[in-house]
Amino acid sequence: NAGVTQTPKFRILKIGQSMTLQCTQDMNHNYMYWYRQDPGMGLKLIYYSVGAGITDKGEVPNGYNVSRSTTEDFPLRLELAAPSQTSVYFCASSYSAGGFGTEAFFGQGTRLTVV
Amino acid sequence: GESVGLHLPTLSVQEGDNSIINCAYSNSASDYFIWYKQESGKGPQFIIDIRSNMDKRQGQRVTVLLNKTVKHLSLQIAATQPGDSAVYFCAENIEPLFGNEKLTFGTGTRLTIIP
Repeated sequence: NAGVTQTPKFRILKIGQSMTLQCTQDMNHNYMYWYRQDPGMGLKLIYYSVGAGITDKGEVPNGYNVSRSTTEDFPLRLELAAPSQTSVYFCASSYSAGGFGTEAFFGQGTRLTVV
Repeated sequence: GESVGLHLPTLSVQEGDNSIINCAYSNSASDYFIWYKQESGKGPQFIIDIRSNMDKRQGQRVTVLLNKTVKHLSLQIAATQPGDSAVYFCAENIEPLFGNEKLTFGTGTRLTIIP
């Protein structure tokens, strides 16, 4: 029972480099989310998806891109990495939103440092 | 913009005592609330949820209270144990007039259980 799997766990990027954070879930969930968590802070929603082929911006989408070509995968792309993107990134999924028992399951996180 | 916020960033409680973690929200359109627990180095985990047509819901050692009049949410943990030490987030599900519903998190409260 893998749940939500994120790769890599850690990454150091140089300013201006690009990378893709991978997220996959095996629970056949419709909803998937990407959050970032800065030190001592809460979770900020970057992008989310309510199903394959559909993506929506969250609170802090600038500097990121996503795609949802399959139900299972929801990669997050960083173009031209900046120090302000140093953070821990969490991917999550849920069957739906707003109902009992439809809690979001989180991955273990990706710690990204941009230097 | 509207957001979920927490009154206290840190809370220390003696082992065995009860703890109360508070959360204020400002979006009157929110209809679903969740409490998450995040242990160090891990992703958030679901604890308990409540819908806006309820004012109380109980789980194992946890109770969530919702006061819609003052837009306030609380998490009560009974007979705290060392394993309860974590950061606790409240989250609200917002169903906007336009766009898809999404989960928005508050800043979090760090709960420390003193042996």
